[in-house]
Amino acid sequence: GEDVEQSLFLSVREGDSSVINCTYTDSSSTYLYWYKQEPGAGLQLLTYIFSNMDMKQDQRLTVLLNKKDKHLSLRIADTQTGDSAIYFCAESNAGNMLTFGGGTRLMVKP
Amino acid sequence: DTGVSQNPRHKITKRGQNVTFRCDPISEHNRLYWYRQTLGQGPEFLTYFQNEAQLEKSRLLSDRFSAERPKGSFSTLEIQRTEQGDSAMYLCASTQRTSGVVEQFFGPGTRLTVL
Repeated sequence: GEDVEQSLFLSVREGDSSVINCTYTDSSSTYLYWYKQEPGAGLQLLTYIFSNMDMKQDQRLTVLLNKKDKHLSLRIADTQTGDSAIYFCAESNAGNMLTFGGGTRLMVKP
Repeated sequence: DTGVSQNPRHKITKRGQNVTFRCDPISEHNRLYWYRQTLGQGPEFLTYFQNEAQLEKSRLLSDRFSAERPKGSFSTLEIQRTEQGDSAMYLCASTQRTSGVVEQFFGPGTRLTVL
């Protein structure tokens, strides 16, 4: 079945850039997503990218997709303490259910 | 509040009891999804509905689990004879299935603790 993998933990200093990486196995993935989950809160969609794109920028967020290597990354510029959360990569096929990675915990040090 | 709502937010039960959770999606959304998230893991798909039809079920959904969406609006997820391994956060999401990107809007979840 489909598999989505992420590193468990990332620590950065406030003001630095954060890069969170994700790999997936399903070559028929249509959309790839980044969700944010803060403690005690639900999942919040940050951004998504269609599989025929290789980059998408949205304010401080930049998503890079290498479809050949099935590698997705999320770059957060000028990381703030409020960005501390768990970030989930997810993929979907034909807009159906999402397959999530295990999440990357981002810690931002002041 | 026009987001996805779930009730109850927390449920503590004893092993062997039955529990039922409710999800109210965003009103115009025709698709509704259930996911389960255990501690330290990402959400895992359980099942989804398009209107009142249950279109897909994960192998995670054992015969102790049943989900319904009788009128194509709210949905319920029932777990019979709960086990300690059922302890998790149960998440509901909804979307309007149209062409293009399908953004799933998530509710706050129901946290189940089985003692």
